[in-house]
Amino acid sequence: DTAVSQTPKYLVTQMGNDKSIKCEQNLGHDTMYWYKQDSKKFLKIMFSYNNKELIINETVPNRFSPKSPDKAHLNLHINSLELGDSAVYFCASSQDVGQLYEQYFGPGTRLTVT
Amino acid sequence: GQNIDQPTEMTATEGAIVQINCTYQTSGFNGLFWYQQHAGEAPTFLSYNVLDGLEEKGRFSSFLSRSKGYSYLLLKELQMKDSASYLCAVMDSNYQLIWGAGTKLIIKP
Repeated sequence: DTAVSQTPKYLVTQMGNDKSIKCEQNLGHDTMYWYKQDSKKFLKIMFSYNNKELIINETVPNRFSPKSPDKAHLNLHINSLELGDSAVYFCASSQDVGQLYEQYFGPGTRLTVT
Repeated sequence: GQNIDQPTEMTATEGAIVQINCTYQTSGFNGLFWYQQHAGEAPTFLSYNVLDGLEEKGRFSSFLSRSKGYSYLLLKELQMKDSASYLCAVMDSNYQLIWGAGTKLIIKP
């Protein structure tokens, strides 16, 4: 049973397109996250979502928007894709917000913008 | 600004011991995490420290000194499967994880 799943695993698209990445967790967790891991391997938090409260990293362009239809899902929609958006995007979840809770990661979505 | 520093790459021999260091400067501190990430895979949780001292978990141990802004991950009895990147992450005052770039550990027979 997959705890945190993402689709698609690979996504190749052209500049200017709009795309979505889906994430689902079956752990019953209350908090979900989106991370971007660039070519230098830095993981950067993009969003965290807990009980309908969205915390946005201020450096994330507004072309990126998270959408949560329910507690188990947090999808990432990207408008007007740019070359610099190419990266691996990880979804993660944790039981709650706070230092006691480890995060469980999905397998990642490798996005390539041409 | 917030900063996590760890060596880019380390090499060790199968069966040996290796220590991966991490220094941090963050706005607030709510604990330090170590994650393992094999190439092309997702990070997986290894350890968590919030108080000073050593936490031992099997072959892996993690140490924290809050006054020095310093942690290390100690891996004993290295196995080939331990070849991976090891990511240090600090939870800041907003309960957000700030990540280092990771240390790529190469294990040689």
